[in-house]
Amino acid sequence: GAVVSQHPSRVICKSGTSVKIECRSLDFQATTMFWYRQFPKQSLMLMATSNEGSKATYEQGVEKDKFLINHASLTLSTLTVTSAHPEDSSFYICSASEISYGYTFGSGTRLTVV
Amino acid sequence: AQTVTQSQPEMSVQEAETVTLSCTYDTSESDYYLFWYKQPPSRQMILVIRQEAYKQQNATENRFSVNFQKAAKSFSLKISDSQLGDAAMYFCAYRRWGGSEKLVFGKGTKLTVNP
Repeated sequence: GAVVSQHPSRVICKSGTSVKIECRSLDFQATTMFWYRQFPKQSLMLMATSNEGSKATYEQGVEKDKFLINHASLTLSTLTVTSAHPEDSSFYICSASEISYGYTFGSGTRLTVV
Repeated sequence: AQTVTQSQPEMSVQEAETVTLSCTYDTSESDYYLFWYKQPPSRQMILVIRQEAYKQQNATENRFSVNFQKAAKSFSLKISDSQLGDAAMYFCAYRRWGGSEKLVFGKGTKLTVNP
């Protein structure tokens, strides 16, 4: 079946530094990928929709300059959290649409900013 | 805008029993998809079942089945013969027809399975 690989699974960074999270579709081409943020015991909150070769579409209230998204190929999208602060600590999940019209999710990244 | 409502924050079921999780949604579209996703403690999102709105027949996947009531905009999930491994957060989700549309999630229902 369709597999999405997300790395790293956990990352701890210092306040003020940047962190990059990668999301790869391993056995299919994903023209569209989605980035979510999930707070403890809450649902997934869509941050942005990433389309290959074009600018990402951000949801209302999401800072474009803080959460940089790049979708340079049909199998790779990256989310960079710039100048991270403790309030950016969260669980980030990517997903990619595949032919069966379902969505395959990565395993998530737990970001802790200290 | 489309919305998805899961009115049961938590549910519990005895092992081997049956449980039904509720989901309602609001949309003005006639064609769309509905999903149930499971998120166990590992936090990996797993597709449980999918329903196309144009299909009248309710989707089933082994022990999992849905009751899709299009007019009532209701999409409940029934888990039969519950197993300990079914314990997880369950999210109902909606997406519009066509293209790579985003998923709209409900707030989730935490299911506990008691041995």
